[in-house]
Amino acid sequence: DAGVIQSPRHEVTEMGQEVTLRCKPISGHDYLFWYRQTMMRGLELLIYFNNNVPIDDSGMPEDRFSAKMPNASFSTLKIQPSEPRDSAVYFCASSDLRTPEADTQYFGPGTRLTVL
Amino acid sequence: GQNIDQPTEMTATEGAIVQINCTYQTSGFNGLFWYQQHAGEAPTFLSYNVLDGLEEKGRFSSFLSRSKGYSYLLLKELQMKDSASYLCAVRDDKIIFGKGTRLHILP
Repeated sequence: DAGVIQSPRHEVTEMGQEVTLRCKPISGHDYLFWYRQTMMRGLELLIYFNNNVPIDDSGMPEDRFSAKMPNASFSTLKIQPSEPRDSAVYFCASSDLRTPEADTQYFGPGTRLTVL
Repeated sequence: GQNIDQPTEMTATEGAIVQINCTYQTSGFNGLFWYQQHAGEAPTFLSYNVLDGLEEKGRFSSFLSRSKGYSYLLLKELQMKDSASYLCAVRDDKIIFGKGTRLHILP
């Protein structure tokens, strides 16, 4: 398996622009997670999906952030408009509760976002 | 509230043993995880504890005491490649990560 795939790997944009991050989970995994990691705040859960349905979005910072999962193999995290404080590494992860190591999350390589 | 505490940084010598502690206060508990994260890379799963006691996996072991809200990760026979951040995470109704412990290995 190719693992969790994220794109782009790096994104540099200007304040006010729309940013869309993409994720393809591991095939067959029924949970998908979006995280943000900064030095100050560590790894924060933004939102997670189960079978394409958003379960908990309490970690989404504000209305500028939105996430969708239109099918089992694709999810997006959108920031509109972006701000410099959104600069961070955004990770997508997936898991499969049906496996013996249920809850083990497999992380993608991350997208390093810089908002100027 | 939910809180996970672990030391910010630790230093150890190649070939030695190091113990990284994690304490947590959460409203519920459904398991504790340790992840390893090398600089510039994604976290990777190391261990999972849901019952009290020690889980051993090669050079790495993880211990859990639910009554004390305490876990540790034990790394033996340290190698230079073990230089990384180690993240403690607790599953309540969702998984919450600590800020990680940066482990420096000296030759």
